[in-house]
Amino acid sequence: DIQMTQSPSSLSASVGDRVTITCRARQSISNYLNWYQQKPGKAPKLLIYAATSLQSGVPSRFSGSGSGTDFTLTISSLQPEDFATYYCQQCYSARAFGQGTKVEIK
Amino acid sequence: EVQLVESGGGLVQPGESLTLSCVASGFTFSNYWMSWVRQAPGKGLEWVGNIKQDGSQKYYVDSVKGRFTISRDNAKNSLYLHMSGLRAEDTAIYYCAGESHTSSWYWFDPWGQGILVTVSS
Repeated sequence: DIQMTQSPSSLSASVGDRVTITCRARQSISNYLNWYQQKPGKAPKLLIYAATSLQSGVPSRFSGSGSGTDFTLTISSLQPEDFATYYCQQCYSARAFGQGTKVEIK
Repeated sequence: EVQLVESGGGLVQPGESLTLSCVASGFTFSNYWMSWVRQAPGKGLEWVGNIKQDGSQKYYVDSVKGRFTISRDNAKNSLYLHMSGLRAEDTAIYYCAGESHTSSWYWFDPWGQGILVTVSS
């Protein structure tokens, strides 16, 4: 199984801030990487697939980059509804999630 | 409306068995790989396993191999997770999820609302 490691585990930010979350794969996964947002008590919601493709209906302030082993999710200007936990997930070999990054209000 | 609805959760004792069901509607179930994903209380997401459209291929995370079995009935638009030898660490909300895809890229969408399984004596 390919292990995914996210950093940081949590962060505090203010509305309007630029936020960056990193995800690293133990081995190269090309661009087989997705990003999800999860709010308390809810199922996760897909934000980005294939490392850089924005899911339909997701605001353009969300973007993804990277390939190989290192990936980034960026929120260009944090909005109140973006406070949530974010997960990366690889689909290169079986499936696996990162441990999550909780974005909290500063 | 696209929908996945899980059922069958509850409280079980360690070592016992339990089967979860997930019924799909609003999309062509038989066209999708399907997965089970779980989330222990206050913890992150863990992929449990998946099954191919025709049931011919199944994959599992190491921690459940030999104890959990995924199956499906396309005629009933239903996905199942049979869990045996349950342990306290299997306590979690279990989600069923369809694997949408384009070419060889897969992602989890749609998702069910989740069902709680508690393993405790």
